[in-house]
Amino acid sequence: QQQVKQSPQSLIVQKGGIPIINCAYENTAFDYFPWYQQFPGKGPALLIAIRPDVSEKKEGRFTISFNKSAKQFSLHIMDSQPGDSATYFCAASNSGGGADGLTFGKGTHLIIQP
Amino acid sequence: NAGVMQNPRHLVRRRGQEARLRCSPMKGHSHVYWYRQLPEEGLKFMVYLQKENIIDESGMPKERFSAEFPKEGPSILRIQQVVRGDSAAYFCASSPQGMWTEAFFGQGTRLTVV
Repeated sequence: QQQVKQSPQSLIVQKGGIPIINCAYENTAFDYFPWYQQFPGKGPALLIAIRPDVSEKKEGRFTISFNKSAKQFSLHIMDSQPGDSATYFCAASNSGGGADGLTFGKGTHLIIQP
Repeated sequence: NAGVMQNPRHLVRRRGQEARLRCSPMKGHSHVYWYRQLPEEGLKFMVYLQKENIIDESGMPKERFSAEFPKEGPSILRIQQVVRGDSAAYFCASSPQGMWTEAFFGQGTRLTVV
């Protein structure tokens, strides 16, 4: 299965700061890049997603930046809050679905300190 | 994602026993994906099913694991003769047409093999 590499593994940011989580992919056929947020004991929940025809997408305090030539994309959380503390996963897939679903990064444990 | 129902939420099995994990997709969804999450790891694709069909099982271990999605009832992931290494969280996701833009995850079943 194609890889999606995610960094950092963990991140601690003060409240109000802007945590940035980075992902890199290999398969140029990927054309759907979602981010999932997972709280302890819960399933992953779709946060925001982007397709490679745009370089940036914003939804509320969450922004995805996408660099197609570098095959990289990142998540920025503006004005971060303690409630944003969770594990964040980037993922990628082909044509919005496909037989093998999503390929996930290993996750980033984010802690927002009050 | 509350619409995808997985049960049980927690399952403890002794080595050698069978584990049966159930996933009821959201209403109107006919596509189910199963993923496994090991501690400190991202989610790994296991199998993709439609009603009465296995579309892709390339992520399933060759032995002891099987999955089904009957015409009526939930999707079942079965693990026979469980071993300690099977301990993980197992998540299913459902979508109406195999499109990840419309997929939702359940809360998972946490399997512990003792």
